[in-house]
Order: sequence, then structure tokens, then C-alpha cells
Amino acid sequence: DAGVIQSPRHEVTEMGQEVTLRCKLISGHNSLFWYRQTMMRGLELLIYFNNNVPIDDSGMPEDRFSAKMPNASFSTLKIQPSEPRDSAVYFCASSSWTAAYGYTFGSGTRLTVV
Amino acid sequence: QQPVQSPQAVILREGEDAVINCSSSKALYSVHWYRQKHGEAPVFLMILLKGGEQKGHEKISASFNEKKQQSSLYLTASQLSYSGTYFCGTGETGANNLFFGTGTRLTVIP
Repeated sequence: DAGVIQSPRHEVTEMGQEVTLRCKLISGHNSLFWYRQTMMRGLELLIYFNNNVPIDDSGMPEDRFSAKMPNASFSTLKIQPSEPRDSAVYFCASSSWTAAYGYTFGSGTRLTVV
Repeated sequence: QQPVQSPQAVILREGEDAVINCSSSKALYSVHWYRQKHGEAPVFLMILLKGGEQKGHEKISASFNEKKQQSSLYLTASQLSYSGTYFCGTGETGANNLFFGTGTRLTVIP
């Protein structure tokens, strides 16, 4: 298995532009988590899905952020419009329903908004 | 909801031992431990479930005291490869999402 695959690895964009981050889950995993990592705030949970259904999006900072899971293996996180304070590393992670074997994280997307 | 880890950073010489603590204000069902090397993704080390069990993974082990809502990670006879930032992730009953601690940066020097 190739693991959790995120794209792009790096994204530099101008303030006000739309950004879309992508994540492909490990086959057989049915839970998907989006985290944001910064030096100041550490790893913050943004939103998570179980069986394609959003369970908790209380961590999504603003309406500018949205996430979708159109099928069992793929998810997107969109920021529109982007702002400099959105600069961070965004990780997605997947697990089985019980997370008994932990989360498997993707390599992350380093987003820089200038 | 974010658990608190201590210490924030520790420097060890090869062969020395370390303990990293994780404390939550919430009742916990599970505690996960992860290690993240610079520029990489966090990697799962182990999970502890409600019941106070202790687990081992080579020379790295952990305990979980659900009454005190605390977990500790024990690293013995540290190796250079142990360097990285260690995170605990806490889970509450009925949910499979995790809240991650602030991290402990561990540096092992020769």
C-alpha cells in the first residue's frame, strides 16, 4: 500500500486566491482527519469524517475553509479566499473506525500564502 | 481539550533514559503516541486503551492512568534515531478523533 497520499507537497499562493488540498486514504480505512500544524498552535484538528460523513467540523477556523469527501478514498480541503495567516503545514490522516492501529498521516502540504 | 505535555524539550546523551508526560483535563478512553522527525509526518508508535495497561515497543514503552487522565512515555537506553518531537494524542469515549499535545522535542547526542 502506498500510504496516505497528499498533494501538492508545497503550495505558494497569493492572498485572496483559492487553494485546494487533496488527500487519498489508505484502502480499507474509513476515517479521515484533516489537521493543521503551526509552531504556535501545534497540531489542530480541523475536521474529520467517518464513512464519508463529516462528524465534527468545529475546528474549521472560518467559513473560508471547507472540506469534502466525495467518495470513500478521497478528500479535499479548500480555502477560499486564502490569507497569510493560513500559512501552515496541512496533514490528512486516515485510520480504521476504531483507530486501534493508530493514524497514518500523509506527508503533508506546506502552504505559504503571501 | 488539547492535552499538556512535559517537558517541552529534553537533551539526552546516547544510552540515557527519558520520560515524557501527557496530561488531560478530560476523561480519556485512549492515548496514542507519535514521533515526528523534522520535515516529516508524525509516525504512530503505540496506543493505550482505558484499563491502565502498559505497552512496550522495543525500548520504548508507555503507561496510561485513566483515573488521573495521564499517560507517560518511557524511552530507555536512547539511541540517536530517537531524536524527534513526540506527541501524545488523546481520545474520548465514543469518538475516534484525537487531540494532540503540544509536543516534546527530544534530542539525542553522541
